[in-house]
Amino acid sequence: QVQLVQSGAEVKKPGASVKVSCKVSGYTLTELSMHWVRQAPGKGLEWMGGFDPEDGETIYAQKFQGRVTMTEDTSTDTAYMELSSLRSEDTAVYYCATMVSSGYYYDYWGQGTLVTVSS
Amino acid sequence: QSALTQPASVSGSPGQSITISCTGTSSDVGGYNYVSWYQQHPGKAPKLMIYEVSNRPSGVSNRFSGSKSGNTASLTISGLQAEDEADYYCSSYTSSSTSRVFGGGTKLTVL
Repeated sequence: QVQLVQSGAEVKKPGASVKVSCKVSGYTLTELSMHWVRQAPGKGLEWMGGFDPEDGETIYAQKFQGRVTMTEDTSTDTAYMELSSLRSEDTAVYYCATMVSSGYYYDYWGQGTLVTVSS
Repeated sequence: QSALTQPASVSGSPGQSITISCTGTSSDVGGYNYVSWYQQHPGKAPKLMIYEVSNRPSGVSNRFSGSKSGNTASLTISGLQAEDEADYYCSSYTSSSTSRVFGGGTKLTVL
């Protein structure tokens, strides 16, 4: 059983950066492919990017390229998502999500981290 | 990459069946059997209900079923129950640079 525990809510000013963490337990990070999905208030789910085991690389949605960086610390089984040059439209709940077996679906999700961008 | 197209809302009475559609293109829904469906209650994280078009994860009620025809996938919920009231999202692998795409979501109301 995988558990994903995310860091707490953040309030940031426009132009700043935010780094959200996702701690894995039950499996090691190297056994998983971690992805990140966000959800603006009252809106739908939006895929941001994640690790592609077929290529061995992290891929990002075009919309976020240049502004997002996803990293992993395998020594602590913690994944990170950093988003820079924040604007008000980035206000959202950010989820880490993963799958145990190889596939294109997410059977485990973190609890979500609310990031509020406000001056 | 445009989101997959879902109806904004559907409704049904307890005991009835409803179907939620999810329309994409040959680059995503129509081209791969990698459609998944998620249920999300207010303030909660999404929960996987169907993967790879029609497979149910362990613990998900067999009242939930999935199918696909051409570029359109469907989620059917039979024997509607009050606790089924939630938002439902489809997702698919896509051959575009985006790799994954979600539908806009459908709000299910149990009358």
